[in-house]
Amino acid sequence: SQQGEEDPQALSIQEGENATMNCSYKTSINNLQWYRQNSGRGLVHLILIRSNEREKHSGRLRVTLDTSKKSSSLLITASRAADTASYFCATDFQGGSEKLVFGKGTKLTVNP
Amino acid sequence: EPEVTQTPSHQVTQMGQEVILRCVPISNHLYFYWYRQILGQKVEFLVSFYNNEISEKSEIFDDQFSVERPDGSNFTLKIRSTKLEDSAMYFCASSNYNEQFFGPGTRLTVL
Repeated sequence: SQQGEEDPQALSIQEGENATMNCSYKTSINNLQWYRQNSGRGLVHLILIRSNEREKHSGRLRVTLDTSKKSSSLLITASRAADTASYFCATDFQGGSEKLVFGKGTKLTVNP
Repeated sequence: EPEVTQTPSHQVTQMGQEVILRCVPISNHLYFYWYRQILGQKVEFLVSFYNNEISEKSEIFDDQFSVERPDGSNFTLKIRSTKLEDSAMYFCASSNYNEQFFGPGTRLTVL
């Protein structure tokens, strides 16, 4: 498998706390993207980080990438109940393939 | 903000029947994809399409599956003879090389 797992598999926090989710992968990548999925719904694109970038911000989201460890993290600061969803990382790998390979995701619950 | 749309949102069919799932990608995008997600499992790549031909397909995408861009806006996935194990959420996505934007999905139920 080209893709590792996100961890944790599930995370439950209180509103206002920060949530950190991690993703690992196994082969060299071009880009890594994070998506959110509300229960049974579509995939919402959150952020893309390129293999030559180390950190990226978008609003309350902060993504880091460590290509030496083949891992990425997604930090959501000051979480809200509306952030409750599953979060997936997806990678496209060097070698010309455009397909995204998804992990199993982290199910985040933010309690009001 | 432009978005990918998919119809229908839910399709119920009998085993052995043909289904066509429809997608309208973002208008200036050049790359199109189909993925599926069986309930409780990972999102899996099926096929990518560029310049009016398949550029890559997975081993899931066998002879029962086909894709078409019949006009300048629609992108379709056809399953010729559905099986029970085809029951899944099917997502269409489009991109202009990097970020892939997904539609809301079609939930296919095969009885």
